[in-house]
Amino acid sequence: DGGITQSPKYLFRKEGQNVTLSCEQNLNHDAMYWYRQDPGQGLRLIYYSQIVNDFQKGDIAEGYSVSREKKESFPLTVTSAQKNPTAFYLCASRVGGAGNTEAFFGQGTRLTVV
Amino acid sequence: DAKTTQPNSMESNEEEPVHLPCNHSTISGTDYIHWYRQLPSQGPEYVIHGLTSNVNNRMASLAIAEDRKSSTLILHRATLRDAAVYYCILRDRGEYGNKLVFGAGTILRVKS
Repeated sequence: DGGITQSPKYLFRKEGQNVTLSCEQNLNHDAMYWYRQDPGQGLRLIYYSQIVNDFQKGDIAEGYSVSREKKESFPLTVTSAQKNPTAFYLCASRVGGAGNTEAFFGQGTRLTVV
Repeated sequence: DAKTTQPNSMESNEEEPVHLPCNHSTISGTDYIHWYRQLPSQGPEYVIHGLTSNVNNRMASLAIAEDRKSSTLILHRATLRDAAVYYCILRDRGEYGNKLVFGAGTILRVKS
């Protein structure tokens, strides 16, 4: 089955530690996105990538890093520089290019700093 | 970035139609209007999109104003499973292609 998979579903991190969230898609999509969602709030864009080996900062990139070494993978690292990392993280992908293509979302990773 | 404005929340009775409005007065001529919805603790799912003409699919209808500065998502018969946050977004062309920028959305409550 084609789709987009995020892992793990729940993640706990100690303060001061870096942690990497996984996002994999087998839809052959060029574009991939990372969003952060806080309770009762909308989605805020962290990073996005239109092609392999290229990515751009979104609206709240500070304290986060990404890589896009393979088309199907777009991991997000939450670094110790992110002051308030506890949130729900969502990854999405789409064909890219034209604005009439839909985005597909993963089921999210809920990160909690303990 | 092109922005959208939606009401914070709306309420509907089950089996009745629901009209969810969205204002996008700064829309550009080539921006598509997309709608997604998000159930609690899940990722958003695509609902419908359009450019200029009204659109219908199995989930909903999208009515786009003639000047394209507003649109309305129409659920013809609301069910309890339609209770979700509904996001209206524009395909926002950033320097390297299309960003997808979400607003706060509209919380739809459906009463039985």
